Amino acid sequence: AQSVAQPEDQVNVAEGNPLTVKCTYSVSGNPYLFWYVQYPNRGLQFLLKYITGDNLVKGSYGFEAEFNKSQTSFHLKKPSALVSDSALYFCAVRDRGYGNKLVFGAGTILRVKS
Amino acid sequence: ETGVTQTPRHLVMGMTNKKSLKCEQHLGHNAMYWYKQSAKKPLELMFVYSLEERVENNSVPSRFSPECPNSSHLFLHLHTLQPEDSALYLCASSQDRPGSGTDTQYFGPGTRLTVL
Repeated sequence: AQSVAQPEDQVNVAEGNPLTVKCTYSVSGNPYLFWYVQYPNRGLQFLLKYITGDNLVKGSYGFEAEFNKSQTSFHLKKPSALVSDSALYFCAVRDRGYGNKLVFGAGTILRVKS
Repeated sequence: ETGVTQTPRHLVMGMTNKKSLKCEQHLGHNAMYWYKQSAKKPLELMFVYSLEERVENNSVPSRFSPECPNSSHLFLHLHTLQPEDSALYLCASSQDRPGSGTDTQYFGPGTRLTVL
């Protein structure tokens, strides 16, 4: 079965500093990996995904994520955080061998302080 | 975000009421999903429809009844709910070509449901 872990409930970072939101996954085959962001009282917005190819994936709003197969990780990063990046971030995985079911992590709250 | 719309945005209902949540997608997708989002819990996949056929039902109580009349519309009919059913209900859609797991799901804004 596939699973996702987001080990940090909350990440605090100062505006202008780099940010990292961690995600590790477990699948039996090769994974498809996704990051979503949720602002208060809103649905989930797609940020980026890893399917194959280059391990560094670039997405919306200046975010990027690095796929590391040996560490089974897919951490979300941004070089310079903005206060407006404060939100709830979800990592999700789909196991290529198990149909189209998408499994989400519990989410990480990102707080960026000015 | 306007690609997937949900109504109503907020709903308060008693345990004996019957209500329905509506989702509409304007993206030309062929798969639609219902998720439940409760505080401090991962998103729970409830139902999946592909080409208007239900392909997944994750052990959801029968007081939740989905309906997908066409590929653009998805309903969740609610009756005799319990207070623990209070949550944010999210609808999503994706292209979902058969055999492909690469398609992105796009979410609506959700319906905040409170059961008294």
